Amino acid sequence: QVQLQESGPGLVKPSQTLSLTCTVSGGSISSGSYYWSWIRQPAGKGLEWIGRIYTSGSTNYNPSLKSRVTISVDTSKNQFSLKLSSVTAADTAVYYCARCTDSNWFDPWGQGTLVTVSS
Amino acid sequence: DIQMTQSPSSVSASVGDRVTITCRASQGISSWLAWYQQKPGKAPKLLIYAASSLQSGVPSRFSGSGSGTDFTLTISSLQPEDFATYYCQQANSFPTFGGGTKVEIK
Repeated sequence: QVQLQESGPGLVKPSQTLSLTCTVSGGSISSGSYYWSWIRQPAGKGLEWIGRIYTSGSTNYNPSLKSRVTISVDTSKNQFSLKLSSVTAADTAVYYCARCTDSNWFDPWGQGTLVTVSS
Repeated sequence: DIQMTQSPSSVSASVGDRVTITCRASQGISSWLAWYQQKPGKAPKLLIYAASSLQSGVPSRFSGSGSGTDFTLTISSLQPEDFATYYCQQANSFPTFGGGTKVEIK
């Protein structure tokens, strides 16, 4: 059974770059026709899709974040990563990684990691 | 962006009740809709995809219906473990989620 786990700093300073990694276990990130996504949720609020990557390296991003987001994949490590540049307090959220079908259904999800943007 | 509007934002119900949550898309999305359940401090869990297909392992008391712009999630007989927040998500274009419906104990 595939499991995902986010990792990375829990505190990032304003204007810096947020960097997170998602490690996939229980299966190969390259198997099946799946994309790998990042989704975030500010405290007490709803969910926002950030973007997705296929193991070929093909990416799709939320237009509202596209100028600041880079998602990459390392198949040798069974990991994919998120970089969000020029962060502000508005980027404070729980960040989830998730497996995504080609129809954009998300399952399973990682447990989530809280990232706070503060000086 | 396709906006997703859920109603109600919260509902109080008792164990055994039938609960219905609605989701409306700002434009037609055919059957490109999923429903998720989220419990406090946990990640969302996929319940329904393609508007009415039950995800493997999800109890049959959960069902989904609708197409176009109007969709419904129904819990036929509410169980204690069903108290949670439910989100709809459209997959017609880049994914967007509804604002959530919290199912609370009456």
